Formats: sequence, C-alpha cells, structure tokens
Amino acid sequence: DSGVTQTPKHLITATGQRVTLRCSPRSGDLSVYWYQQSLDQGLQFLIHYYNGEERAKGNILERFSAQQFPDLHSELNLSSLELGDSALYFCASSVDSMRSPLHFGNGTRLTVT
Amino acid sequence: DQQVKQNSPSLSVQEGRISILNCDYTNSMFDYFLWYKKYPAEGPTFLISISSIKDKNEDGRFTVFLNKSAKHLSLHIVPSQPGDSAVYFCGLANAGGTSYGKLTFGQGTILTVHP
Repeated sequence: DSGVTQTPKHLITATGQRVTLRCSPRSGDLSVYWYQQSLDQGLQFLIHYYNGEERAKGNILERFSAQQFPDLHSELNLSSLELGDSALYFCASSVDSMRSPLHFGNGTRLTVT
Repeated sequence: DQQVKQNSPSLSVQEGRISILNCDYTNSMFDYFLWYKKYPAEGPTFLISISSIKDKNEDGRFTVFLNKSAKHLSLHIVPSQPGDSAVYFCGLANAGGTSYGKLTFGQGTILTVHP
C-alpha cells in the first residue's frame, strides 16, 4: 500500500460530461502529481502541485484542470469529455519537488462512452 | 518523438537467473533516473533511483546502471523470483526543470519469471 488514495476506482460517463477525480497524498507529502496512462501513449505527466501551488504542467488539455487544497488533497477535473479521454488516471505524491521518489495510487479508470 | 525507449516489450527469465531491463534516452538533460514496477490493477511502485553523478546504485537484489555517454540505463535483478513478474517502467527527470516529479516514462517491459 503506497499510502496514496484515489477515488473513485472506476468511472463510466458519456461524451460531453464532466467528472472529478480525487486524490489524497501520503501523510506528510506536500507534492501531488497527476499522470494519464492510455494504451497508445503510456504514462504521461499532466500536472504537479506543491503545497497548494501549481509547480509544473505537462501536455494537459485546456478541458482539464486541477487544484490542491489546504489539506493537501487534490482534484483533477475533466470536462467536455471525449472518447479519447478514456484512460487510467494516476495520482502520485512525494515529500517535496526535488529528487524524491513518487509514490503512486492505484488509479481511477475512466471510460467515456 | 520518443525521448525514452524501452525497446524490449517483454522478457522471460528462469527463476534464480539474472533479469536485465534496458532503457535508452535521447535528451542529455535528464539527470535523475528511476525504475518502477507495476502489477495489474495497481499503481507503479518505486524500486530504485540513480542521479547523473553516479553510474551504479544497489538496493538488495536490484542494481541500476547508468551509462551517460551511451544515454543508456539498465536494471539488473539478481536472483530473479516469480514475484518479480510485472511491468517495469523507467522514468527520467530533466535537469533545470522546476519539478523532478515531471517524469518522462518509457513504454514498459513485461517481465515474466518462470519457476
């Protein structure tokens, strides 16, 4: 058990809808990261928050947004969903933003129909 | 353009033997290198890391080797055990970036260790 909790485990929704994925980092970790794993793209970095502030962005679509709250949990919001957004979304946390290993949750599997 | 490649999609090894997983990269700015393993229905689990100032790091049965001139990273598992059967990913971080958690991952290698 990595100590990173992601909810829900599975999500099935229709095109055009909006969903929110939630992540609770390990106790004491200030950094939260979101990654997307799709069949053709592998694990892709989306965004990094450190202690409530956005630290780095990857190729995250404008339809996607995230935030980290004062209690350090994070939410990833996906809107105007398309079929191609179907993927596994992983959250990871680390102590800081330097050379600390990332600890991943078990992911949320999103299916857009 | 794939900056990080794991050219072997799969590897099959006998229990007790050595498993060698490889990772090649093109961007010389990467300076922090990690290996993760992933079981089905679980998230990636951190195994071992190495920074660019070293060429070898050991942790129990796991050793990571870094050859900066060849832009090549490898993970050795000795001895291999059936429980090591999983997908292995290399993840690389870019020097000078604002986030060492912004990892670029390879596509993964499926390791199967036969009893």
